[in-house]
Amino acid sequence: AQKITQTQPGMFVQEKEAVTLDCTYDTSDPSYGLFWYKQPSSGEMIFLIYQGSYDQQNATEGRYSLNFQKARKSANLVISASQLGDSAMYFCAMRETTGTASKLTFGTGTRLQVTL
Amino acid sequence: NAGVTQTPKFQVLKTGQSMTLQCAQDMNHEYMSWYRQDPGMGLRLIHYSVGAGITDQGEVPNGYNVSRSTTEDFPLRLLSAAPSQTSVYFCASSSQWAAVHSPLHFGNGTRLTVT
Repeated sequence: AQKITQTQPGMFVQEKEAVTLDCTYDTSDPSYGLFWYKQPSSGEMIFLIYQGSYDQQNATEGRYSLNFQKARKSANLVISASQLGDSAMYFCAMRETTGTASKLTFGTGTRLQVTL
Repeated sequence: NAGVTQTPKFQVLKTGQSMTLQCAQDMNHEYMSWYRQDPGMGLRLIHYSVGAGITDQGEVPNGYNVSRSTTEDFPLRLLSAAPSQTSVYFCASSSQWAAVHSPLHFGNGTRLTVT
């Protein structure tokens, strides 16, 4: 079974609009971390936002917020007031401890295109 | 402000050749890892290390070797390159303290083509 599922291969959003990128995860571990990364066309991986499994409030970082619904095992990324520079691939990832290490597992990504 | 440094940025190999992808970090991170990125498959973990002298396999380890003799360096070796190893490779590191809550810091990637 997939640990991280991103069901939207591609999304379009108009500039200044908000957009939600979906992510569901699967784990039986009570302690885990959820992360979103942005990969622009230049190729680097940029960390955006983190949510811990025990956090009561949704994480926010500037225009990014994470809609964390623990019972549904979803961790959707919300980008408010989209900008042209937000066009990129977005990856959801989960970090959980297996054995001696805490490994990060990625979803397959969503390509976001911001239009005028 | 180096962070995670990967070399080279680009590499073309012939089938059967060997090479080493270099990765160095200056953040004193205990945890280091290698991922490969292929279209439509996200990033998949190849090998990882939780400290000098300690390495383990990830999801797709076949065809790759690693070693960790220092905290700073974590090279990835391809002993006999195959076309299936054509990919973009990322090295990433993090603090092992607070483990699941620590984001990975990524290098800029190495684009490898095997012909």
